[in-house]
Amino acid sequence: SYVLTQPPSVSVAPEKTAKITCGGDRIGMHIVHWYQQKPGQAPVLVVYDNSDRPSGIPERFSASNSRDTATLTIRRVEAGDEADYYCQIWDGSSDQGLFGGGTKLTVL
Amino acid sequence: QVQLQESGPGLVKPSETLSLTCPVSGGSITDFYWSWIRQPPGKGLQWIGYIYYGGSTNYNPSLKSRITMSLDMSKNQVSLNLTSVIAADTAIYFCARLDMATNAFDIWGQGTMVTVSS
Repeated sequence: SYVLTQPPSVSVAPEKTAKITCGGDRIGMHIVHWYQQKPGQAPVLVVYDNSDRPSGIPERFSASNSRDTATLTIRRVEAGDEADYYCQIWDGSSDQGLFGGGTKLTVL
Repeated sequence: QVQLQESGPGLVKPSETLSLTCPVSGGSITDFYWSWIRQPPGKGLQWIGYIYYGGSTNYNPSLKSRITMSLDMSKNQVSLNLTSVIAADTAIYFCARLDMATNAFDIWGQGTMVTVSS
């Protein structure tokens, strides 16, 4: 079955840029979505369709998807961005949702 | 604004059936697809399945033999039944709206914690 691989953790200093990757075999052929989950809260969709932001999500959040890696980029990182981030695709061949293992973003 | 709020028993004994409901406010359940997603303590998200008003369902193969999802139009709510539960079913269970135009989960409930223990 298809597997999405994320690094367990990423650390970044405030005001710097964080990049969180999501690897998968030819993931560039899939549509990738990204979620932010803060402790004790439900996930929130922060990027859909590879690079679009829902209303209310800051422009600091952007994403790309190419070949074998999708990337969520958070610019000018703030303490409030500290959270777990998950990538997700819809596997059309099996008609199922699939999540990456999640990445804990720590703001130093 | 569509809002979801899961509710459940909190504690279920091994081998029994877990039943959860998710009333939907601010919109009709007949207009969208709905999914359940769970998260074991300290772990990642696992998609459980989806259901649509038209009768369409699909479940995670790892849970398929134990899962039933249903819609109650009179209460405008989504339900999940998981039979023969084991300790590994201990998790926070979320219901979420599945936007079939994007296949993204765009609205989530706050989640309900279920512990399987005798």
